[in-house]
Amino acid sequence: QSALTQPPSASGSPGQSVTISCTGTSSDVGGYNYVSWYQQHPGKAPKLIIYEVSKRPSGVPDRFSGSKSGNTASLTVSGLQAEDEADYYCSSYAGNKVVFGGGTKLTVL
Amino acid sequence: EVQLVESGGGLVQPGGSLRLSCAASGLTFSNTWLSWVRQAPGKGLEWVGRIYSTPDGGATDYAAPLKDRFTISRDDSKSTLYLQMNSLKTEDTAVYYCTTYIYGYMAYWGQGTLVTVSS
Repeated sequence: QSALTQPPSASGSPGQSVTISCTGTSSDVGGYNYVSWYQQHPGKAPKLIIYEVSKRPSGVPDRFSGSKSGNTASLTVSGLQAEDEADYYCSSYAGNKVVFGGGTKLTVL
Repeated sequence: EVQLVESGGGLVQPGGSLRLSCAASGLTFSNTWLSWVRQAPGKGLEWVGRIYSTPDGGATDYAAPLKDRFTISRDDSKSTLYLQMNSLKTEDTAVYYCTTYIYGYMAYWGQGTLVTVSS
């Protein structure tokens, strides 16, 4: 059982927007602005796409955005493209450790 | 370009030990915080632990279930990170990733090395 709760699946058609939630507690998501999101394609290493709740690393399209309210963080993918189909994981700093969500499989219909 | 290359994975019997290595380039290794993350086959990501940079004291933290069996260390002279794993269990079977680490996020990842614990 993962420390952070994500929906196991999400889907959307090309061009649409989809939002993935990530729920934790006041000891992780709610207690720090250090939520990050990772994209993982099959057989590949995860890739950082959002850090510190809403910041994007260089090279990540602005179609990806992050936010947080209380103990829940969210990742929104706008203008869905076929290559966005992947697994997405949220993560949070939690003091002397890091916790991950169980992952969400995003399907582009 | 930052590169992290893991090695040392393979098949090990339950109760055995294994040491993973991660060779880094393209960064100032001695000033870099680092971590290990693992992923069991078909499962999600699991944080293993982290090590601070030497100037920041080189302290380590671990996921609670692993701290008695796993040890993270670094050799700044070789730009290499290590993960010593003892008393391995079948549930330790996973791909182990080496990553950079800053306040809970992992910017750079290696390609991973597979550890299989089986008799």
